[in-house]
Amino acid sequence: DQQVKQNSPSLSVQEGRISILNCDYTNSMFDYFLWYKKYPAEGPTFLISISSIKDKNEDGRFTVFLNKSAKHLSLHIVPSQPGDSAVYFCAAMGYSGGGADGLTFGKGTHLIIQP
Amino acid sequence: DTGVSQNPRHKITKRGQNVTFRCDPISEHNRLYWYRQTLGQGPEFLTYFQNEAQLEKSRLLSDRFSAERPKGSFSTLEIQRTEQGDSAMYLCASSLGPNSPLHFGNGTRLTVT
Repeated sequence: DQQVKQNSPSLSVQEGRISILNCDYTNSMFDYFLWYKKYPAEGPTFLISISSIKDKNEDGRFTVFLNKSAKHLSLHIVPSQPGDSAVYFCAAMGYSGGGADGLTFGKGTHLIIQP
Repeated sequence: DTGVSQNPRHKITKRGQNVTFRCDPISEHNRLYWYRQTLGQGPEFLTYFQNEAQLEKSRLLSDRFSAERPKGSFSTLEIQRTEQGDSAMYLCASSLGPNSPLHFGNGTRLTVT
């Protein structure tokens, strides 16, 4: 049973426009969320994270929004650039008071930026 | 480059053989994780270490898999009696601690023929 879901396998956006990638989760114990970007033949690269005590975190062109009541988060990229073309993974972690479950990943969304 | 380093990058082996992969984490990171990724899926958690102690193992980690981090620095992942279903990308990551981003290496791609 998938605890982190990325329902769009791919997304095509024109260069300069906003890219919005969505992610839903089911486990209410998750309290730390991350987005990773992955190019072929490379490992995932950390992009941005958000703790459950916040609803927004911004870093340059990247903003992550968290809606805890809906168990939904999104990644906004503005403006989109050709180098943003990659697979984006949403990941979640639950803090269990000393233990640390590994990150649970979604299946990824392939973002394609069209010139 | 002081990122996470994994060796080898590629490994082709015959079914039934044993293989071992190595991971060198970022030096100041005390947590080290192993993940596996297959085509069309996100990375799946296998196990993690806090310093030299292996604190958690996924049910995905069968008895044929063993991981060590003998001195709390580098780690090895061994797969015994490999099967074709073991073919995947094996990713290593490290982090400073709980609720800290994991930083991944470029992985070892295993092909079992």
